Amino acid sequence: SQQGEEDPQALSIQEGENATMNCSYKTSINNLQWYRQNSGRGLVHLILIRSNEREKHSGRLRVTLDTSKKSSSLLITASRAADTASYFCATDKGNNDMRFGAGTRLTVKP
Amino acid sequence: DVKVTQSSRYLVKRTGEKVFLECVQDMDHENMFWYRQDPGLGLRLIYFSYDVKMKEKGDIPEGYSVSREKKERFSLILESASTNQTSMYLCASRLLAGARYEQFFGPGTRLTVL
Repeated sequence: SQQGEEDPQALSIQEGENATMNCSYKTSINNLQWYRQNSGRGLVHLILIRSNEREKHSGRLRVTLDTSKKSSSLLITASRAADTASYFCATDKGNNDMRFGAGTRLTVKP
Repeated sequence: DVKVTQSSRYLVKRTGEKVFLECVQDMDHENMFWYRQDPGLGLRLIYFSYDVKMKEKGDIPEGYSVSREKKERFSLILESASTNQTSMYLCASRLLAGARYEQFFGPGTRLTVL
């Protein structure tokens, strides 16, 4: 069964704007990961945040984690057309029980 | 860089056929996974393996089996393909379970069962 649920399901923005995607989950986790998938391809790992961390940065990506609310957000700043993809959160209990959500489809218009 | 390869990008089979999907990783990872991806449902775990000859069922193992005879290779087998198994199949590997390890995915196999 799915653990993470992304919100919104789809997001369309202009190049240069920021994009925020949210993920909610139901049970306790060891870490939460965000992945990106270009159309028809495999997933690529973007960033991992552990359960004892609250915020993490990687380039134009910023991830937050609120374990009390069981939610995470992925912020992409200064978006580019090349950021167009689907983004998935995955919750990891640390024992190979890793669950993915249905994803947010991001479209960045040039 | 880790490389995960899958034997086919596109595959068309007939109902009742036995189907083999192969996945190979080149970084000596312990853990390997098979998912299927369907619109609106995200990725669902079919099976995973944490060691050679070891396997565990995921959320949707019915109609599938797996084989891991060598560390680098994890095969997904559809014993008798059915139309509801038409899907995108993704293989992934990970060094170990735990708080520091991400999964590396193959490019996917889009299977159509007629």
